[in-house]
Amino acid sequence: GAGVSQSPSNKVTEKGKDVELRCDPISGHTALYWYRQRLGQGLEFLIYFQGNSAPDKSGLPSDRFSAERTGESVSTLTIQRTQQEDSAVYLCASSLGWDNEQFFGPGTRLTVL
Amino acid sequence: DQQVKQNSPSLSVQEGRISILNCDYTNSMFDYFLWYKKYPAEGPTFLISISSIKDKNEDGRFTVFLNKSAKHLSLHIVPSQPGDSAVYFCAASDNYGGSQGNLIFGKGTKLSVKP
Repeated sequence: GAGVSQSPSNKVTEKGKDVELRCDPISGHTALYWYRQRLGQGLEFLIYFQGNSAPDKSGLPSDRFSAERTGESVSTLTIQRTQQEDSAVYLCASSLGWDNEQFFGPGTRLTVL
Repeated sequence: DQQVKQNSPSLSVQEGRISILNCDYTNSMFDYFLWYKKYPAEGPTFLISISSIKDKNEDGRFTVFLNKSAKHLSLHIVPSQPGDSAVYFCAASDNYGGSQGNLIFGKGTKLSVKP
């Protein structure tokens, strides 16, 4: 069956440019999470969506980061004015509900030159 | 300040032997712990979990042990197989079930199982 998908798989951009990363969760999953993994680090929580509730943005590292989700479908993570320290693998996960197992996508590798 | 620590970045084990991956945590409010396995170019996949009311959970070749007083957990893989070669992440939550993005991950341990 279809799992969580993310696009693009790789993105190289120049410092200062904006990037948009996409996540397609598993159909029917009401919860969606964004994480990032910088080189040599563990996964770092960024933002969480649950149904139509206000998202938990407590992990976003700066106001250059934002994310949207329409209903219980696709989510986009936008990074404005990218910096070199934004280089990381950005992972999306979804789950049936707030206390269910999270299923991860393959990630988007972002390189900021 | 790291709340979940995996102090061994890598581990090499012979096929058929036991693999022991360790994880320490600092937050006594954590009540649920998970292990994820990650192959290159793929997202992490859930492996096994344990709640703080238990000290052991077993699933086939995988067993997780929790020592709350030491704030330490370990993942045992017996017998190890070459297909187990991957990066293993320890994660913790203070909200049972790892919900609401409250999963705190360690840096991971790369396990290599040699034939």
